[in-house]
Amino acid sequence: QKEVEQDPGPLSVPEGAIVSLNCTYSNSAFQYFMWYRQYSRKGPELLMYTYSSGNKEDGRFTAQVDKSSKYISLFIRDSQPSDSATYLCAMSPNAGNNRKLIWGLGTSLAVNP
Amino acid sequence: DAGVTQSPTHLIKTRGQQVTLRCSPKSGHDTVSWYQQALGQGPQFIFQYYEEEERQRGNFPDRFSGHQFPNYSSELNVNALLLGDSALYLCASSPLGYGYTFGSGTRLTVV
Repeated sequence: QKEVEQDPGPLSVPEGAIVSLNCTYSNSAFQYFMWYRQYSRKGPELLMYTYSSGNKEDGRFTAQVDKSSKYISLFIRDSQPSDSATYLCAMSPNAGNNRKLIWGLGTSLAVNP
Repeated sequence: DAGVTQSPTHLIKTRGQQVTLRCSPKSGHDTVSWYQQALGQGPQFIFQYYEEEERQRGNFPDRFSGHQFPNYSSELNVNALLLGDSALYLCASSPLGYGYTFGSGTRLTVV
């Protein structure tokens, strides 16, 4: 079993839809959770960064962490065609330690006009 | 303000050859990390440089080596290339810790 599981999709939604992206994990030591967006032929871009459990909101994006279920989510409200990209989750037991930063495979999202 | 700059953007090499990839970090960032991203996979951490020294290393063989210069720019060297080394190589810079800014990567194809 992989430490981090993420459905690769692809996920296709109409413009304006609410998108839900998810990752599950097995290591209860994970404390830092990140969501990255990666456009084709580009490097990943940090969207959201959350420590421990709870919700964090930034504009149309909301990140949720449920440590009891070992489950994290990224919600995108009023999705736009420009949101079409691959979304990667990443998590780590501590800050600043690249070696222990574990990435999901990424979910490919297409938002159709 | 320029972000992270990587060169070249694309590269084709033959098995057994050596390759050098280059990275200029974002202004104000002193830490550079290198990642390998195979198609359809998440990035895999190769190593991190800070103050011209390798500080952390992932599970990559010694064929992968690097260097950081006094101006914080960095190089990734791969010797004795294998077909399996074909991937997108990403450079990320940060102040020490998280909050990485990634470059657009170098697409390496080994034939």
